[in-house]
Amino acid sequence: EDKVVQSPLSLVVHEGDTVTLNCSYEVTNFRSLLWYKQEKKAPTFLFMLTSSGIEKKSGRLSSILDKKELFSILNITATQTGDSAIYLCAEFGNEKLTFGTGTRLTIIP
Amino acid sequence: DTGVSQDPRHKITKRGQNVTFRCDPISEHNRLYWYRQTLGQGPEFLTYFQNEAQLEKSRLLSDRFSAERPKGSFSTLEIQRTEQGDSAMYLCASSLDGRYGYTFGSGTRLTVV
Repeated sequence: EDKVVQSPLSLVVHEGDTVTLNCSYEVTNFRSLLWYKQEKKAPTFLFMLTSSGIEKKSGRLSSILDKKELFSILNITATQTGDSAIYLCAEFGNEKLTFGTGTRLTIIP
Repeated sequence: DTGVSQDPRHKITKRGQNVTFRCDPISEHNRLYWYRQTLGQGPEFLTYFQNEAQLEKSRLLSDRFSAERPKGSFSTLEIQRTEQGDSAMYLCASSLDGRYGYTFGSGTRLTVV
């Protein structure tokens, strides 16, 4: 059965700090790795990664995939209070998304 | 509105009652997924449709759960004889062949009392 593990489960940092969130996966028929941000309601899409070693960036957020070691990281630099959320990692394989439990990130002003 | 819409946003029901949720996906998306999310967990896959065909159902989907997508557009998820353990956020997502990510709706939060 496909499995996605995220770490840490919870992280509290001060505004301006840089954070790294981790995601490892064990899947069959891997096609892509996705990151989502979830505040109070629906997960909102951040990145989709399909190739190893190619960093994707969006403002202060960036992510990279290592298909050999089966993991991905999400970096957030110069964190702001609006970054407080749950960050979900999911792999798309076997025609559906399998999610990790998420990392709850709290930014202290 | 071009996003994924779910209705209702909240539902409180008594144990044993039946409930039905609706999802309207992005119009050009052929795939529609249902997920369930409980507190402290990531979303768990329930079932998905490609057009009107239901292609996969999770073992989580007991006989009390049924989903339909009759014309390949909106979908409904019905839970019969609700139990307290059914209390969760039910999320719908749509995608174009799964290739370009998934767009989630705001979810229906079910509370069974």
